Amino acid sequence: AQSVAQPEDQVNVAEGNPLTVKCTYSVSGNPYLFWYVQYPNRGLQFLLKYITGDNLVKGSYGFEAEFNKSQTSFHLKKPSALVSDSALYFCAVRDEGNAGNMLTFGGGTRLMVKP
Amino acid sequence: EPEVTQTPSHQVTQMGQEVILRCVPISNHLYFYWYRQILGQKVEFLVSFYNNEISEKSEIFDDQFSVERPDGSNFTLKIRSTKLEDSAMYFCASRAGQGRREKLFFGSGTQLSVL
Repeated sequence: AQSVAQPEDQVNVAEGNPLTVKCTYSVSGNPYLFWYVQYPNRGLQFLLKYITGDNLVKGSYGFEAEFNKSQTSFHLKKPSALVSDSALYFCAVRDEGNAGNMLTFGGGTRLMVKP
Repeated sequence: EPEVTQTPSHQVTQMGQEVILRCVPISNHLYFYWYRQILGQKVEFLVSFYNNEISEKSEIFDDQFSVERPDGSNFTLKIRSTKLEDSAMYFCASRAGQGRREKLFFGSGTQLSVL
């Protein structure tokens, strides 16, 4: 079985400050980890992924995420938040051995960046 | 960047009616998915489709649901007899490969309202 937890329903940060959106996962094999962002009335947009290799992954719009195997975490980070980063962020995982290749999504974290 | 397109953007139907949600995945993609998101809740996997057959489905995807790729470009989700609890945003997604090339592209969704 595979699962994802996003412990924070909402994260508030001031523009220009660093932001972190937390994600922890559980899989029986090797994890493939993803972050997606959803703007109002839009679909999910891919931000970044970890498949293998460097634990620090850089993605779109200045976001990055760090894979931590011992803590089973994949937190999303950005050094300096923008008001336009305000959106709903989803962490997702699939087990490498998952034959159907389905992603399991976390419940989402709403990021609010205030000017 | 290539896009997954979904039609219609909104669909209103009466309980018990059949609906067909349509999707045009990205042309060279091989793996196709349907997910749904009930208002305010997490994104849930419905079904994955590869090589003209279902590769995995969730418990949500019961006998009332079916998928089809009728002509090599469209990918449809049919709900035979809609229920109130089927009201949700339905997302189609597709991807090309696995592993390092793995990246799921989502459409903008079809908002289904069952009255």
